[in-house]
Amino acid sequence: GAVVSQHPSRVICKSGTSVKIECRSLDFQATTMFWYRQFPKQSLMLMATSNEGSKATYEQGVEKDKFLINHASLTLSTLTVASAHPEDSSFYICSAELGQVEAFFGQGTRLTVV
Amino acid sequence: AQSVTQLDSHVSVSEGTPVLLRCNYSSSYSPSLFWYVQHPNKGLQLLLKYTSAATLVKGINGFEAEFKKSETSFHLTKPSAHMSDAAEYFCVVSRGGYNKLIFGAGTRLAVHP
Repeated sequence: GAVVSQHPSRVICKSGTSVKIECRSLDFQATTMFWYRQFPKQSLMLMATSNEGSKATYEQGVEKDKFLINHASLTLSTLTVASAHPEDSSFYICSAELGQVEAFFGQGTRLTVV
Repeated sequence: AQSVTQLDSHVSVSEGTPVLLRCNYSSSYSPSLFWYVQHPNKGLQLLLKYTSAATLVKGINGFEAEFKKSETSFHLTKPSAHMSDAAEYFCVVSRGGYNKLIFGAGTRLAVHP
């Protein structure tokens, strides 16, 4: 199947710094990508829908100024956690939609803010 | 609104015995339903999907699920568990296609020798 690569897989950062997570569709073009967040022992929650060339659509309760999404090309979406704090520590995972046929997920990024 | 409830947070089976992971859904629309598997420190893999075609859906690795509208259920089954099946399983509903997937809480499957 199609491959979605997410980088980095793990990151530890100091409180107050910003962290960028990349999501790439390696062998297909994705006009739509999704960002999810998974707290320990909980399910995945959709944070935002990223559309190539336009602004992301955020779910209710997700701070757009803290979670900055850029979908600059058909193969790359980035999520930047601005001024990260310990409560932002979580597992972030992206998915890319292949022509409304299937969504392929990245490997996820475990963010730890200390 | 759509929602999905996975009735068991943990299921433990012996290798070679059947697997049953239960899922009930709620949807105002004709739902699309999915089962995903997540192995430790890895991304999600699609096991199977229901999109209003056949009610019995066969997926990868010997898994299958049956859509029962009258019971609003979409339980995942496998006749014989393998050690490699140990993972977290998510039942997922969407309004259609792959937009706004709504995940259940997950069921952790343990397989013992």
